[in-house]
Amino acid sequence: AQSVSQHNHHVILSEAASLELGCNYSYGGTVNLFWYVQYPGQHLQLLLKYFSGDPLVKGIKGFEAEFIKSKFSFNLRKPSVQWSDTAEYFCAVNGASGGSYIPTFGRGTSLIVHP
Amino acid sequence: SQTIHQWPATLVQPVGSPLSLECTVEGTSNPNLYWYRQAAGRGLQLLFYSIGIDQISSEVPQNLSASRPQDRQFILSSKKLLLSDSGFYLCAWSVPGTSSNEQFFGPGTRLTVL
Repeated sequence: AQSVSQHNHHVILSEAASLELGCNYSYGGTVNLFWYVQYPGQHLQLLLKYFSGDPLVKGIKGFEAEFIKSKFSFNLRKPSVQWSDTAEYFCAVNGASGGSYIPTFGRGTSLIVHP
Repeated sequence: SQTIHQWPATLVQPVGSPLSLECTVEGTSNPNLYWYRQAAGRGLQLLFYSIGIDQISSEVPQNLSASRPQDRQFILSSKKLLLSDSGFYLCAWSVPGTSSNEQFFGPGTRLTVL
């Protein structure tokens, strides 16, 4: 079975601070990894994803994430956050074998950025 | 382009009453469809998913059921609501055939059971 752990449940930052949100997963095979974001009052939407190739993936709004296979991690980063990054962030993993199309989501991290 | 609709946006129902939440997708064919419940601090709990008409899989035993009467319509139902059914329900779709495809989420339905 696959599982996802997001260690930071609530993060509060000031604008221009750097951000790193942790995500660790548990799965024995090849994985697809996702970060989703839910801005206040908006739909949950994809921020970025990894499924193969370069382990450093770039997403929208200056976000990036690095897949480190040896650490089973897919941490989300942004060098300088903005007030508009205030949102809830979800990491998700989907096993890439066996025809599974069902991702497992982490509990989410609530990010508040003070102007 | 593809769009996903959910209704109603909010719903207040008494305990013991029935429930029907509807989700429809436009602009794609034979999507994978999903129902989630989102609770604060608990992430997204997958309730049901479907890879085709009348093909429904239940992930968690619930007081809920799901149906897919048409290719792009997914319905979440209950015969008798419980207080614990309160929550935020999200419908999502994805392109079938590969697990690397992301999910696209609807706006959600806020259900309050009193």
